[in-house]
Amino acid sequence: DTGVSQDPRHKITKRGQNVTFRCDPISEHNRLYWYRQTLGQGPEFLTYFQNEAQLEKSRLLSDRFSAERPKGSFSTLEIQRTEQGDSAMYLCASSLFPSDRSSYEQYFGPGTRLTVT
Amino acid sequence: DAKTTQPTSMDCAEGRAANLPCNHSTISGNEYVYWYRQIHSQGPQYIIHGLKNNETNEMASLIITEDRKSSTLILPHATLRDTAVYYCIVRPNSGGGADGLTFGKGTHLIIQP
Repeated sequence: DTGVSQDPRHKITKRGQNVTFRCDPISEHNRLYWYRQTLGQGPEFLTYFQNEAQLEKSRLLSDRFSAERPKGSFSTLEIQRTEQGDSAMYLCASSLFPSDRSSYEQYFGPGTRLTVT
Repeated sequence: DAKTTQPTSMDCAEGRAANLPCNHSTISGNEYVYWYRQIHSQGPQYIIHGLKNNETNEMASLIITEDRKSSTLILPHATLRDTAVYYCIVRPNSGGGADGLTFGKGTHLIIQP
């Protein structure tokens, strides 16, 4: 399978603990995006990378959230001191930029569902 | 990105065409209309996009009005597997077009057997 993969698929943690999620993009894609989706809402954009450079991080929800993509391949999203309000689905997507097509469609992974108890 | 308005939910009978409307009255000249869908417990999936001409691919057709203030996504022969939330997104295809997507709440399409 050459699609976007995310690990773990489910994570249950206690309030105050740190969690880290991993995303492996489609291999030739240089852009990688993180989104959060709460129940009944559409995905909410958090941050994105082009290769190893983080081009947008002002949308990260608080300073407890951070993301890395050290070698321009896989990425990690870390949440420190988790709160119950962090319970959500965390989605990763990748794309190729610039594209030789007229579209910049993003390819999404299956997501990591976080439950904070 | 321009704001979009979609109905909250729609029903369609299996085998019939599903027509999903989207209003984007503030769309600007360099903005494209994109459609994604999200099947329960999966990540969103790209369907189709267009600028001003009608577009068709193996999944769907996109009809954009001449004034570009609204569009309709058409699934020609809906199946039960098309039950999903459908998102209409307006964004440029240059500059910030490859940045993060802005999703609304979308339309929950339910295909009835």
